[in-house]
Amino acid sequence: AQSVAQPEDQVNVAEGNPLTVKCTYSVSGNPYLFWYVQYPNRGLQFLLKYITGDNLVKGSYGFEAEFNKSQTSFHLKKPSALVSDSALYFCAGRRGLDAGNMLTFGGGTRLMVKP
Amino acid sequence: DAGITQSPRHKVTETGTPVTLRCHQTENHRYMYWYRQDPGHGLRLIHYSYGVKDTDKGEVSDGYSVSRSKTEDFLLTLESATSSQTSVYFCAISERSGGSNEQYFGPGTRLTVT
Repeated sequence: AQSVAQPEDQVNVAEGNPLTVKCTYSVSGNPYLFWYVQYPNRGLQFLLKYITGDNLVKGSYGFEAEFNKSQTSFHLKKPSALVSDSALYFCAGRRGLDAGNMLTFGGGTRLMVKP
Repeated sequence: DAGITQSPRHKVTETGTPVTLRCHQTENHRYMYWYRQDPGHGLRLIHYSYGVKDTDKGEVSDGYSVSRSKTEDFLLTLESATSSQTSVYFCAISERSGGSNEQYFGPGTRLTVT
């Protein structure tokens, strides 16, 4: 069975500071990993994904994520947080050869960026 | 929200009544999914479809059924709603299976069962 964990329910950061939202995974084989963001009363929006290749993946709105196979982690990062980044963030993963494209989601991390 | 609409957006219903939620897409994507979102659980897959009339169960399918008679529509039915089915329901679509295809999500339906 595959699983994705987000160890922090909430992350608080001051505007302008770097932010990190943590994600660890347990996925057999080569994992495909994703980050989504959810703003209030909206559906999830795709941010970025890791499939293969460079361990540092760049995505929308200045976000990036670092894939670390030895630590089975895929942390989301941004060099300088904005108040508008405040939202709920979900990490998701699946096996690379999963024909049904089943995603397993973490429980979500609420990011609060304070001015 | 990537050409995906869900209806209704909000619904309050009583225990024991049937409820049908509709997902409609204009992207002509083959794969469609129903998830529920509950605090602390992230999103959990209820059912998915890999083509017209082709559906399969997800992680939390008990008490739910689905139907897909057209590429663009995917219906989720609660045959007899229970309070444990109070949740926010999201529909998602993806173009292909396998590979690196991300899913795109609709705006959600907030369902309250009293």
